Amino acid sequence: SQKIEQNSEALNIQEGKTATLTCNYTNYSPAYLQWYRQDPGRGPVFLLLIRENEKEKRKERLKVTFDTTLKQSLFHITASQPADSATYLCALGGDSSYKLIFGSGTRLLVRP
Amino acid sequence: NAGVTQTPKFQVLKTGQSMTLQCAQDMNHEYMSWYRQDPGMGLRLIHYSVGAGITDQGEVPNGYNVSRSTTEDFPLRLLSAAPSQTSVYFCASSPDRTQPQHFGDGTRLSIL
Repeated sequence: SQKIEQNSEALNIQEGKTATLTCNYTNYSPAYLQWYRQDPGRGPVFLLLIRENEKEKRKERLKVTFDTTLKQSLFHITASQPADSATYLCALGGDSSYKLIFGSGTRLLVRP
Repeated sequence: NAGVTQTPKFQVLKTGQSMTLQCAQDMNHEYMSWYRQDPGMGLRLIHYSVGAGITDQGEVPNGYNVSRSTTEDFPLRLLSAAPSQTSVYFCASSPDRTQPQHFGDGTRLSIL
């Protein structure tokens, strides 16, 4: 069955450093991948979308890569700030499916 | 623009009771969906709709019903609540299934 893995352990980094989060998947060939941010008690908020024919996407301090050979996406936050502390979810979608499959998320904690 | 509005925010039910979780969006989105989120697990799709009058099952549909009589509203009904349905429920909408989803802030449901 389709499986998405995100590191269940929290990532704890110092302010100003680059945070790198990983999303691995198996038994799936997604057409696109999305990253969301979720704060406690709130719904997920969309950050970035990358398609299978794109290697990299950037938005301000955020960068996403998508390696369909490794079946992996990396999500980077440069010059991290305490306000970036949240849980980050990846989600995979296919052109032939109406379903978006979510990972369980990785919690990021940025220390001042 | 309110986005996606979910009501109620919190609810406690007894086993066997029924209830309806409300979801409304004001963005004229065709695609709407319901997810549940449990600790350590990703968002799991319960039901989705690609437009008024059209609904389909997601990954975990048992015990839930939906209808879509208008573009704006997509209520989720629990027919006979069970403790296993204790969860946080999120409603989401998007212009179509491949576009980023807009989430509500969730309904926290406890079944005793």
